[in-house]
Amino acid sequence: AQSVTQLDSQVPVFEEAPVELRCNYSSSVSVYLFWYVQYPNQGLQLLLKYLSGSTLVKGINGFEAEFNKSQTSFHLRKPSVHISDTAEYFCAAQNTGTASKLTFGTGTRLQVTL
Amino acid sequence: DTGVSQNPRHKITKRGQNVTFRCDPISEHNRLYWYRQTLGQGPEFLTYFQNEAQLEKSRLLSDRFSAERPKGSFSTLEIQRTEQGDSAMYLCASSSPRREQGSSYEQYFGPGTRLTVT
Repeated sequence: AQSVTQLDSQVPVFEEAPVELRCNYSSSVSVYLFWYVQYPNQGLQLLLKYLSGSTLVKGINGFEAEFNKSQTSFHLRKPSVHISDTAEYFCAAQNTGTASKLTFGTGTRLQVTL
Repeated sequence: DTGVSQNPRHKITKRGQNVTFRCDPISEHNRLYWYRQTLGQGPEFLTYFQNEAQLEKSRLLSDRFSAERPKGSFSTLEIQRTEQGDSAMYLCASSSPRREQGSSYEQYFGPGTRLTVT
């Protein structure tokens, strides 16, 4: 079984500022890791994923994340945010053996203002 | 490829009534998942199918919930005798094994069905 923790429920940031959204996971087995974004009244869209290999993963819309096995973290970063990045962001883990259900964190609300 | 579709998008029902939601996955995706998302929370896994076989059910899926995928294509999720605690967004996702290196079954989500039980 695994669990995912997103410690920050809300992150306010000014436009063009950098941002980091934190994600930590706990698992007794190896996991794949994902970041999804959810805009109001919409489903989830995949931003990026870590399967194996390079620990720095680049995704869509200028986002990137770094897998840190020793700290069991997968923090999401963007060097310069836009108003349009305002949304809910979810970190998720998936057992590499079964590669089936996703276990999600509780989400981080990114609020970008001028 | 038109993406995952879900119907209806919104459903308001009275407590005690039965409701049924439909999910149409991306064509040729052999895996289909149902999740439930309540306000301020991340999605929680309910159940998933590989083709027409239901392979796993969460303990969250009480006896009042039933899901089917009779021909391995679309799926339905039925909730009998709805309760106010069933109010949530019900999300469907589909996936297919990646052909290239790495075997992550990347999941594509539909827009969800928002259920309100009054």
